[in-house]
Amino acid sequence: NAGVMQNPRHLVRRRGQEARLRCSPMKGHSHVYWYRQLPEEGLKFMVYLQKENIIDESGMPKERFSAEFPKEGPSILRIQQVVRGDSAAYFCASSPPNPKNIQYFGAGTRLSVL
Amino acid sequence: SQKIEQNSEALNIQEGKTATLTCNYTNYSPAYLQWYRQDPGRGPVFLLLIRENEKEKRKERLKVTFDTTLKQSLFHITASQPADSATYLCALEGTSGGYQKVTFGTGTKLQVIP
Repeated sequence: NAGVMQNPRHLVRRRGQEARLRCSPMKGHSHVYWYRQLPEEGLKFMVYLQKENIIDESGMPKERFSAEFPKEGPSILRIQQVVRGDSAAYFCASSPPNPKNIQYFGAGTRLSVL
Repeated sequence: SQKIEQNSEALNIQEGKTATLTCNYTNYSPAYLQWYRQDPGRGPVFLLLIRENEKEKRKERLKVTFDTTLKQSLFHITASQPADSATYLCALEGTSGGYQKVTFGTGTKLQVIP
């Protein structure tokens, strides 16, 4: 059973470009969470999704950021018109429907904005 | 407001000694509490979950206590080894936005000195 897969592992973008981060949850997991982490800082919650639904996006900036978890395929975190301040590690986690409390994390995507 | 506090200062400990990390919380009434380990450049990995009606949980060299009166959890690593060096995060469940949301503390960095 493969773990949570995130790609790419490293992503370099120039200011103004779009960044697309992908997350394939563990098999059988229908809940996906996205977090952002700056160096030497804690995990900052961004968004929680279930298949085809956004449950909680309270941690996600209203502008330029969007997330989806379609019926088929991976979850996508999309950042439009990236700025230098978007540079961070973005982690995805998944959990099973029941119990849905333990989260299994991917290795993260490190976004660098030049 | 809800708050999770972990010692932000790194904990340095001699190999073979017991490491004790603290997680304090306010304005939560969690049904359970979790501990995760995060190594540099990697996603957090789940270690242990303890429920509110459990005083103590053990797994190999790890021991977790949960005092709902003091609103505190202690995480112990006995006979610590350099390989235990990592950042340890506690995570609490609380009701937010109509669902049981898991929130992570900022973590405590443990350094085990040979």
